[in-house]
Amino acid sequence: DAKTTQPPSMDCAEGRAANLPCNHSTISGNEYVYWYRQIHSQGPQYIIHGLKNNETNEMASLIITEDRKSSTLILPHATLRDTAVYYCIVRVPPGNQFYFGTGTSLTVIP
Amino acid sequence: ETGVTQTPRHLVMGMTNKKSLKCEQHLGHNAMYWYKQSAKKPLELMFVYNFKEQTENNSVPSRFSPECPNSSHLFLHLHTLQPEDSALYLCASSQDFFRDRGNQPQHFGDGTRLSIL
Repeated sequence: DAKTTQPPSMDCAEGRAANLPCNHSTISGNEYVYWYRQIHSQGPQYIIHGLKNNETNEMASLIITEDRKSSTLILPHATLRDTAVYYCIVRVPPGNQFYFGTGTSLTVIP
Repeated sequence: ETGVTQTPRHLVMGMTNKKSLKCEQHLGHNAMYWYKQSAKKPLELMFVYNFKEQTENNSVPSRFSPECPNSSHLFLHLHTLQPEDSALYLCASSQDFFRDRGNQPQHFGDGTRLSIL
């Protein structure tokens, strides 16, 4: 059960902000939104997560709409090393099931 | 550096071989996981251990045998594998499986790329 919808691919110019959208229209009140990314030949890397409020850390910002039916991951200044597959995941507690789906393949262009 | 180390990074084995994958985490976590990632498929959760006790086995064939001697180490013993078992095997850890209210990220290693001849 994916519970999220993401565009299959996106391009972003190096140095510009990358805005990756995710739809999760069936999300429930206690379900967190997580973002991971996977660079080729590596394991998934945790980026950020949130429940209701917008969140920011050293890697990215997460903007969650007021109705929580969609969110956007923002990489403020994309670099070539940000080229990866980005996964938006809705988790249902309790338990630790992460369903990664097919994600968005982001290509940062020089 | 995620704090989760997997060895070996690559493994090629025949169908009759016995080998083991190793995972070690330096994050002080108490839950550890094995996932399988096949080409063009989502991650599949295989096993979950919490405080060294197995809590989840997602109908994994018996040719995969996990072992968790302590909260920092996790093994996956492989025996008589099939060609369709070729995949990337990922280990992850988190703070505590049963106390998780959805607010605990899992941290992944870089995986072992397994090829069955």
